[in-house]
Amino acid sequence: EAAVTQSPRNKVTVTGGNVTLSCRQTNSHNYMYWYRQDTGHGLRLIHYSYGAGNLQIGDVPDGYKATRTTQEDFFLLLELASPSQTSLYFCASSGTGGPYNYAEQFFGPGTRLTVL
Amino acid sequence: GDSVTQTEGQVALSEEDFLTIHCNYSASGYPALFWYVQYPGEGPQFLFRASRDKEKGSSRGFEATYDKGTTSFHLRKASVQESDSAVYYCALRTGGYKVVFGSGTRLLVSP
Repeated sequence: EAAVTQSPRNKVTVTGGNVTLSCRQTNSHNYMYWYRQDTGHGLRLIHYSYGAGNLQIGDVPDGYKATRTTQEDFFLLLELASPSQTSLYFCASSGTGGPYNYAEQFFGPGTRLTVL
Repeated sequence: GDSVTQTEGQVALSEEDFLTIHCNYSASGYPALFWYVQYPGEGPQFLFRASRDKEKGSSRGFEATYDKGTTSFHLRKASVQESDSAVYYCALRTGGYKVVFGSGTRLLVSP
């Protein structure tokens, strides 16, 4: 069973604050993802990566940076947090799933971020 | 771009009722289709997938059939239980890294 962990589980910061959310996966997956989840919007992709040093832009990237330091670790950075970034954040990983890349994703437990 | 539409935002049923949650997709390629389930306080978890036309995916009594003609992958269960109460997400992947999710359907099952 793939394991994806996230820290912290809860975070409160103020507008303009600096926040780093951490994600680690221990299943040697190539792909890692950051999503935000908001009522009425489901899961929206922020950034994703297919390996250490790689970064791809998702659908809602504004105000977020990300960095993949190793195959296991993927970080999401909010350098000037705003109240609109109050949300539940999920990290996920997936393998290759063969030549057509149809592998499922494994999600972490989430980080609830509140920006006051 | 690719998209997934779930028409029901919420479904309320009683135990032993039949469940249908509708999922329609739009994709330029030939996607794999997935269902995920999310219980309160947890991250989404993979339920099952189908990757070709007419293929049926199933798990835990839930099933869905890939229909390329109607671009659908509707989730069904013959007899729901209170423990099935959760949010269900339909998703697609077209062979790249990106996965597109629908907006989710909240299922409430009363005893």
